[in-house]
Amino acid sequence: GAGVSQTPSNKVTEKGKYVELRCDPISGHTALYWYRQSLGQGPEFLIYFQGTGAADDSGLPNDRFFAVRPEGSVSTLKIQRTERGDSAVYLCASSLSGARSGANVLTFGAGSRLTVL
Amino acid sequence: AQTVTQSQPEMSVQEAETVTLSCTYDTSESDYYLFWYKQPPSRQMILVIRQEAYKQQNATENRFSVNFQKAAKSFSLKISDSQLGDAAMYFCAYLRWAGGTSYGKLTFGQGTILTVHP
Repeated sequence: GAGVSQTPSNKVTEKGKYVELRCDPISGHTALYWYRQSLGQGPEFLIYFQGTGAADDSGLPNDRFFAVRPEGSVSTLKIQRTERGDSAVYLCASSLSGARSGANVLTFGAGSRLTVL
Repeated sequence: AQTVTQSQPEMSVQEAETVTLSCTYDTSESDYYLFWYKQPPSRQMILVIRQEAYKQQNATENRFSVNFQKAAKSFSLKISDSQLGDAAMYFCAYLRWAGGTSYGKLTFGQGTILTVHP
């Protein structure tokens, strides 16, 4: 697509529930990123995919968080047993890979706002 | 670990005037990029300007320019002829670059809310 698309735009859930957030990157972008932005803060890195594989998942806060990108395009961020502290905007971004000029220019989506009651 | 600090939680400017947003960072690396991103209420992060650390010349993009002071680890954003549409949250971000396997693992500052008064 023309831009990075994220769904849902807003998600309200109850503590303990399971949540999936979807990201559809720009066509042709092999690199995909998830960031988390808590209220009033800057985004924090969660995970990076190169193609289908998670090349860096060092930002995932704990084992309740998991992400997949099975076909190297769309990615899903999965959160199990949600907690109130998981409430945040989850941003997805994509980029080209390899060369300086492409790999460092990220295009972000509008994010999914998750609220855990 | 790299850190990025934006010491101005909020700034305001009159339409058509100039405003400067501050950013400092801490790194021991020699090759890196610095960015300014704009985040309007729509939440989408929009790249405003990018600076490569090995380039001494300050980057400019139309009304936006930076003052990159590598020794001082300072990277400020100047917005000239401010417009109402410039109102947003602005984030400074750092990216370490380590060659062909590098990727977009950005470290962001806390952000500065910019208000533009008509």
